[in-house]
Amino acid sequence: ETGVTQTPRHLVMGMTNKKSLKCEQHLGHNAMYWYKQSAKKPLELMFVYSLEERVENNSVPSRFSPECPNSSHLFLHLHTLQPEDSALYLCASSQEGYAAYEQYFGPGTRLTVT
Amino acid sequence: GENVEQHPSTLSVQEGDSAVIKCTYSDSASNYFPWYKQELGKGPQLIIDIRSNVGEKKDQRIAVTLNKTAKHFSLHITETQPEDSAVYFCAASRTGGFKTIFGAGTRLFVKA
Repeated sequence: ETGVTQTPRHLVMGMTNKKSLKCEQHLGHNAMYWYKQSAKKPLELMFVYSLEERVENNSVPSRFSPECPNSSHLFLHLHTLQPEDSALYLCASSQEGYAAYEQYFGPGTRLTVT
Repeated sequence: GENVEQHPSTLSVQEGDSAVIKCTYSDSASNYFPWYKQELGKGPQLIIDIRSNVGEKKDQRIAVTLNKTAKHFSLHITETQPEDSAVYFCAASRTGGFKTIFGAGTRLFVKA
C-alpha cells in the first residue's frame, strides 16, 4: 500500500454519462496529481494541485473537470467522454507541489468509454 | 516540447543476468531523474532517483547513472530475479517546476 487510494478501480461508462473518480491520500502531502496512462505511451500529466490550488492544467479537454476540496482528497469529474478517453487514470501525491519530489501513486481507475 | 525518450520498449533477460534501460531527456534545466517500477494492477512506485549534482547512485542491485552533458541517464539492474519483471519508467523534472516528464516505459521480462 502506497497510502494513496482510488475508487472505483474499474469503471465502464457511456459517452453521455457523468461519473466521478475519487482519490484520497493518507500521507499528509500537500500536492496531488491526475495522470492518464494509455498503452505504450508515456504517462500524461493532466492536473496538479498544490495546497488545494490548481497550479498546472496540461491542455486537458473540458470534459474532464478536477476538484480538490482539501489536501487529502482529489476528484476527477467526467462527462460526455469519447472512446479515446479509455485509459488508466492514476492519482498521485507528493510532499510538495514541485516536481522534484517523489510521487506516490494510487493503483488507478481503469476507465472504459463505450 | 520537453520529452524523454526511453529504450528499449521491451527487454527479456535470463535470471541472474543484468538489465540496462536507457533514457534521454531534452530539457537541459532538468535536475531530478526518478525511476519508477509498475507491477500489474498497481500504480508506479519509485525505486531509485538521482539529482544532477551526482553522476551515479546505487542501492543494492539497482544503480542509476547520469551524463548531464549528453543528457542521458540509465538504470542498471544486476542479478535479475523473476520478481523484477515489471514495466519501468524513467522521468525528468526540474526544481521549481510542477511537471514531471515520463518516458514511454520498458517492459522487463526475467526468465527463470
